[in-house]
Amino acid sequence: NAGVMQNPRHLVRRRGQEARLRCSPMKGHSHVYWYRQLPEEGLKFMVYLQKENIIDESGMPKERFSAEFPKEGPSILRIQQVVRGDSAAYFCASSPPRQSSTTDTQYFGPGTRLTVL
Amino acid sequence: RKEVEQDPGPFNVPEGATVAFNCTYSNSASQSFFWYRQDCRKEPKLLMSVYSSGNEDGRFTAQLNRASQYISLLIRDSKLSDSATYLCVVSPNTGKLIFGQGTTLQVKP
Repeated sequence: NAGVMQNPRHLVRRRGQEARLRCSPMKGHSHVYWYRQLPEEGLKFMVYLQKENIIDESGMPKERFSAEFPKEGPSILRIQQVVRGDSAAYFCASSPPRQSSTTDTQYFGPGTRLTVL
Repeated sequence: RKEVEQDPGPFNVPEGATVAFNCTYSNSASQSFFWYRQDCRKEPKLLMSVYSSGNEDGRFTAQLNRASQYISLLIRDSKLSDSATYLCVVSPNTGKLIFGQGTTLQVKP
């Protein structure tokens, strides 16, 4: 059973370009989460999605960032007009359908390292 | 004030030592608690969940004090392979995880 897959693993963009980060959850998982880790900092929650629905986007910057998890295909985190401050590791995690009110284990992908020149 | 606070360390200990990490959280509505491990800025991996009654997994023991909003992790008989950053994580059970900055452990031969 393949784990959470992310691509690309490394992405270099110039200021003003767009970055698209992809995440394929583990088989059978219908919940996807995106986190960002800035240099020398901890992981920060960005967004929680289910298929075709955004459940919680309270951690997303108000501008330039968007996320989707379509019915078919991977989840996409899109950053428009990137700036140097967007340079970070972006981790995706997935979990199975929630069975109870407790938090299910989230399994993390290897991350995408975004560098903005 | 950060939602989850940890001493960043680094903690430098010899092999075989016992080391303890502490963590405090500010949101009393937090429902689930975890310790994750992160190696060299790779993806975090779940080390163990933390329960009010305390729980143990081999050389690792986790404790939770809800009244004090305090979580701990004890590692006995440290191995070189334990060198990593240990992340204290809480969740309000709405899906998202809230991470501490992490405590770095370096085990020396």
